[in-house]
Amino acid sequence: GENVGLHLPTLSVQEGDNSIINCAYSNSASDYFIWYKQESGKGPQFIIDIRSNMDKRQGQRVTVLLNKTVKHLSLQIAATQPGDSAVYFCAENRDSNYQLIWGAGTKLIIKP
Amino acid sequence: GAGVSQSPRYKVAKRGQDVALRCDPISGHVSLFWYQQALGQGPEFLTYFQNEAQLDKSGLPSDRFFAERPEGSVSTLKIQRTQQEDSAVYLCASSRAAMNTEAFFGQGTRLTVV
Repeated sequence: GENVGLHLPTLSVQEGDNSIINCAYSNSASDYFIWYKQESGKGPQFIIDIRSNMDKRQGQRVTVLLNKTVKHLSLQIAATQPGDSAVYFCAENRDSNYQLIWGAGTKLIIKP
Repeated sequence: GAGVSQSPRYKVAKRGQDVALRCDPISGHVSLFWYQQALGQGPEFLTYFQNEAQLDKSGLPSDRFFAERPEGSVSTLKIQRTQQEDSAVYLCASSRAAMNTEAFFGQGTRLTVV
């Protein structure tokens, strides 16, 4: 994945609004995608996954959209709460390999 | 415990010192992964175990890095003759199956080499 070092892309959202975090992937052979949330000082936490035979999947307050035509993945968080503040990573499985390839991460900041 | 446990949480090592990082995966999980995460970046794959077999160690950055999982449960990542560039968070994850399934991560060990 693309590394951006210390300069993570940042998204600031008002508490209660919806958040949309985007991710581009490069390998059209990838068949499994996951969104992880990582809070400061903690390990990544699974949010939601989607397989390549789907274009949308919903969880509790979260929706993942997959657009295979443009190789784009998005995570929508409804009614953003302060506890949603974290860095969000997308990850992909390429060619049914067990190695997860991670995106750069997006830092979500919730404004009160 | 119910989750993946890593120890120690923090480790400061002098350059040249050997370190050992421990991972206790979720009981019954077949797959175990080690990742290295630099500040502000996503995790990068180091190595993968299926039970006690190390099936992939292609991500280990040098022969100073060694991992084992002798009984198919607890795993240890050892770094010999640590260097400053080894400073990072080392994450362990386990899952029920090898791929296309949710992996559960521990809190990581933050290694600082001085």
